Amino acid sequence: DIQMTQSPSSLSASVGDRVTITCQASQDIKNYLNWYQQKPGKAPKLLISDASNLETGVPSRFSGSGSGTDFTFTISSLQPEDIATYYCQQYDNLPFTFGPGTKLDIK
Amino acid sequence: EVRLVESGGDLVQPGRSLRLSCAASGFTFDDFAMHWVRQAPGKGLEWVSCISWNKNNIVYADSVKGRFTISRDDAKNSLFLHVSSLRAEDTALYYCAKGGSHVCLSARFHNWGQGTQVTVSS
Repeated sequence: DIQMTQSPSSLSASVGDRVTITCQASQDIKNYLNWYQQKPGKAPKLLISDASNLETGVPSRFSGSGSGTDFTFTISSLQPEDIATYYCQQYDNLPFTFGPGTKLDIK
Repeated sequence: EVRLVESGGDLVQPGRSLRLSCAASGFTFDDFAMHWVRQAPGKGLEWVSCISWNKNNIVYADSVKGRFTISRDDAKNSLFLHVSSLRAEDTALYYCAKGGSHVCLSARFHNWGQGTQVTVSS
């Protein structure tokens, strides 16, 4: 199975800050990497697919980059509504696997 | 608007079975692969199973293989997960999710239901 790691596991930042989360795959997954946002008590929401493709309706302050084994998720200017846990997920190989999540809150 | 509504979760004893359902609307159901993803209390996301649009490709996580069975009824726009030989570690919120295309490998989960809770305890 492909193992996904994320760092940091938790992050506290101020409104307006630039926030970066990294995700690493245990083997090359090309660009088959998605990012999800999950708010407390809610289902996950797909924000970015194929490592860098912003989903329709997702604010442009969210972005993703990377390929192979190393990926980055960025919020360019943190907003209060961005408080959530963020997960990466690979779909290069079965079983599809998620990272352990990064919990983001406001400082 | 895509809508996925799960049901069937319950509190059950170890070793028992349940059938989870997911009612889909707002898209052409039989054009898409469908998935189940679960989340244990306070934990992360775990992909469970997928069934392709034509039912020819069915895949499972190793943790549930041989115990869970995924199926679909395209006439009723419904997805099912029969969960059997339940263990405490199967306790989770079970989500159904729409895949990115007709095949399981296009595992971009654009749409999710609200989940149905399965609790396994004696």
